[in-house]
Amino acid sequence: RKEVEQDPGPFNVPEGATVAFNCTYSNSASQSFFWYRQDCRKEPKLLMSVYSSGNEDGRFTAQLNRASQYISLLIRDSKLSDSATYLCVVNMRGGNKLVFGAGTILRVKS
Amino acid sequence: NAGVTQTPKFQVLKTGQSMTLQCAQDMNHNSMYWYRQDPGMGLRLIYYSASEGTTDKGEVPNGYNVSRLNKREFSLRLESAAPSQTSVYFCASSVQGAGTGELFFGEGSRLTVL
Repeated sequence: RKEVEQDPGPFNVPEGATVAFNCTYSNSASQSFFWYRQDCRKEPKLLMSVYSSGNEDGRFTAQLNRASQYISLLIRDSKLSDSATYLCVVNMRGGNKLVFGAGTILRVKS
Repeated sequence: NAGVTQTPKFQVLKTGQSMTLQCAQDMNHNSMYWYRQDPGMGLRLIYYSASEGTTDKGEVPNGYNVSRLNKREFSLRLESAAPSQTSVYFCASSVQGAGTGELFFGEGSRLTVL
């Protein structure tokens, strides 16, 4: 079983739609969680951290469910510019080692 | 606003050749990292340097060596390239450890080994 698993997609949605991705992680002792965004042939960039109480930034909401060991990302009112790969990232053991999921592809169509 | 700069951006090698990927950051970050990214897989940590003068192995260190030349620079060397090392390599840096999650990545180096 992979340490961090994501549905690869692609998720094809129309502009204005709401879309949600989940990501599961294997280590119940994982300490911190993040979503990164990666545009095609570009470097990953931090989108948002995921806190135990949830985190909202504009149209983006991230949630953590420790009991079921997953995190989620909700995007409301999707824009064409949201088209990208979304990477789930978990700090499983503390220290310097982040584990990256393989990513979920989102395509927003007009 | 240079951030993290990697060179070269593209490289083609023959099996057995050696090369060094260079990385420099101008954000005064303590920690630096080398990752590789392959299709269908997440980024995998090759080596990292928590601070100047220290380096540690990551998940996939075999076939690679690193040097933290100073606080700004962290290089990755392939001594004898193999086709399995065909990948996109990303250098990253962070203020302290990766626990805060905010890594700043370079634009990537695309390496093909024939």
